[in-house]
Formats: sequence, C-alpha cells, structure tokens
Amino acid sequence: SAVISQKPSRDICQRGTSLTIQCQVDSQVTMMFWYRQQPGQSLTLIATANQGSEATYESGFVIDKFPISRPNLTFSTLTVSNMSPEDSSIYLCSVVLAGGENIQYFGAGTRLSVL
Amino acid sequence: AQSVSQHNHHVILSEAASLELGCNYSYGGTVNLFWYVQYPGQHLQLLLKYFSGDPLVKGIKGFEAEFIKSKFSFNLRKPSVQWSDTAEYFCAVKSPGGSYIPTFGRGTSLIVHP
Repeated sequence: SAVISQKPSRDICQRGTSLTIQCQVDSQVTMMFWYRQQPGQSLTLIATANQGSEATYESGFVIDKFPISRPNLTFSTLTVSNMSPEDSSIYLCSVVLAGGENIQYFGAGTRLSVL
Repeated sequence: AQSVSQHNHHVILSEAASLELGCNYSYGGTVNLFWYVQYPGQHLQLLLKYFSGDPLVKGIKGFEAEFIKSKFSFNLRKPSVQWSDTAEYFCAVKSPGGSYIPTFGRGTSLIVHP
C-alpha cells in the first residue's frame, strides 16, 4: 500500500468561501480520484484527476464548482468553490498504485462543515 | 450501469455473535469484488478482495466473503465479532477492463456491544 496524506483533515467554512484540499501520495500512482462521502450514503465519485490536463467529471459535478489540479503523478488538489451548507461532507482522495493490483486506496478524508 | 445493494444499513450485535453482511450487484459479467472497512475516525481500508479463483476469500481480522456468481452476491462473514469490529462496511464492485472505478454500496454500519 502507500501513505496518502490529505490536508486539511477538517475545516469549518463560511458560506460563499472556497476551500482547497490537498492529496499527496508517497508512491507512484496511475490514477487519482476524488470522492464525496455523505452520512448514510455511498461514496460518490466526483472526478478523475488527470495529470497535466483537465479532470474528468462525473454527472452532477462541474469544473466551476469543483476545480481539480494534478500537476504531477503523486499530487492533486480539489477546490470546493462558493460553498453552501449542502457541500458539508467528507471529501476523499483515492489512488490506484502503479505496478500493483487494480485496487483503490483511500486517504483519511477531509471533513468539511459549511455554516 | 452497475449497481450495488447492501441491504443491511444498520446492524447491532453482541460480542461473539456471528456476522453476515449482504452485498448484491447487478452486472452479470466478470467482476472484481471488494469489501472496505472504515473504523471510527479512520480512513477506508481494504478488508478483502476477489478477482478470480477460489470464491471463498479470506481477509484481515478473521473476515471472509463468498462470491456466488449465480446469486450476484458477495456476502461478508465473520464467525465471532469483537467490539473492535464496530465500523462502517462498504461493498464495491468493478467490471474488469479499462476502468479503475468501482461502484460502491451505501455501506452498513455495524455496532458491536461488549
């Protein structure tokens, strides 16, 4: 496996502001993803972070709201823009390791509360 | 599109009781199957996986799961639970091929009373 570091681990934000979440992996990865986990619900894939190009967003998620960067193979950021209370959730970074089995590994998540 | 059903949303057991959590999926072809566990305050961890071979898969901490293709199921079992098994359990299913992205069930919350 690998160490997947997410920062911040939690934050409380005001409505209308933006928060950028960082994900750093200590191993080479092939794929990086961002998920949202709401209480009592399944993990929802937001987007696939593509190195050096625009992320691939799932239905219901758009770049203006959730801009994603992946400047290199092991680092990505997710920004939650113009936040509202409905954005309160846990945001998870996930990776598939290079040279390994096709398994997703997860970071500890960022618990976001929007007031 | 693939869908994954975890019928037990909340399970409460006493220590030493046996556990079985259901997981059913919709796609009928070849699949990769996973169970993840999330202990309170911790990140999602892989509990066990099935790619091929023996349909009875053993994972960490005494957990096992059985893939029954005819029933589209991958139920998780443990013969005797412990208080430390209190966690959220997620089943995930992936169709092999180009996509790395599994479909997750909505999770089952397990509480084990000492």
